[in-house]
Amino acid sequence: DQQVKQNSPSLSVQEGRISILNCDYTNSMFDYFLWYKKYPAEGPTFLISISSIKDKNEDGRFTVFLNKSAKHLSLHIVPSQPGDSAVYFCAASANFGNEKLTFGTGTRLTIIP
Amino acid sequence: GAGVSQTPSNKVTEKGKYVELRCDPISGHTALYWYRQSLGQGPEFLIYFQGTGAADDSGLPNDRFFAVRPEGSVSTLKIQRTERGDSAVYLCASSSLRGGRRHEQFFGPGTRLTVL
Repeated sequence: DQQVKQNSPSLSVQEGRISILNCDYTNSMFDYFLWYKKYPAEGPTFLISISSIKDKNEDGRFTVFLNKSAKHLSLHIVPSQPGDSAVYFCAASANFGNEKLTFGTGTRLTIIP
Repeated sequence: GAGVSQTPSNKVTEKGKYVELRCDPISGHTALYWYRQSLGQGPEFLIYFQGTGAADDSGLPNDRFFAVRPEGSVSTLKIQRTERGDSAVYLCASSSLRGGRRHEQFFGPGTRLTVL
């Protein structure tokens, strides 16, 4: 049972445009959500997070939106840059104190110069 | 170093052999996690340490897998009688639990295990 789903395996976006990556979850106990970026042969790098008490969190070019009723979150990157090309993972956790992460399968983002 | 480090970066072994994978977390991080990432998948949780104790080992696939963190810092993931299906990238992450708020996990570069 895939509790965190990223239904788009890949996405291509022109440089300078907005990239929107989507994520859906099924477990109502999830209350903390994170996005990680991964380059080949490296570990995932934390990008941005959001608590379930919020519906938006912004950090520079990155904004995460959370729709609890729809169990959906999205990551917006604007403007997109070539260095943003990577695999993006959505992750969620349910318990403060044991924050084991449940990950989606990832979306490969390619920024076209 | 400033980040999480893992050794070796690559490990090739034969089916049935024993392997140990090491993780050095960020200094001062009390929480340590092991994940396994197979090709085309996201990382999957294996085990969580709070200090020296394994607080949650529900992700370990079977009793061939074991992990320790004897002094609350470095952790070793041990796999006995390796099988070809154990081939994956093993990721370690650490986080702080201070301040009464949620914290992100910082990941190491992983160990790529190949079982022939």
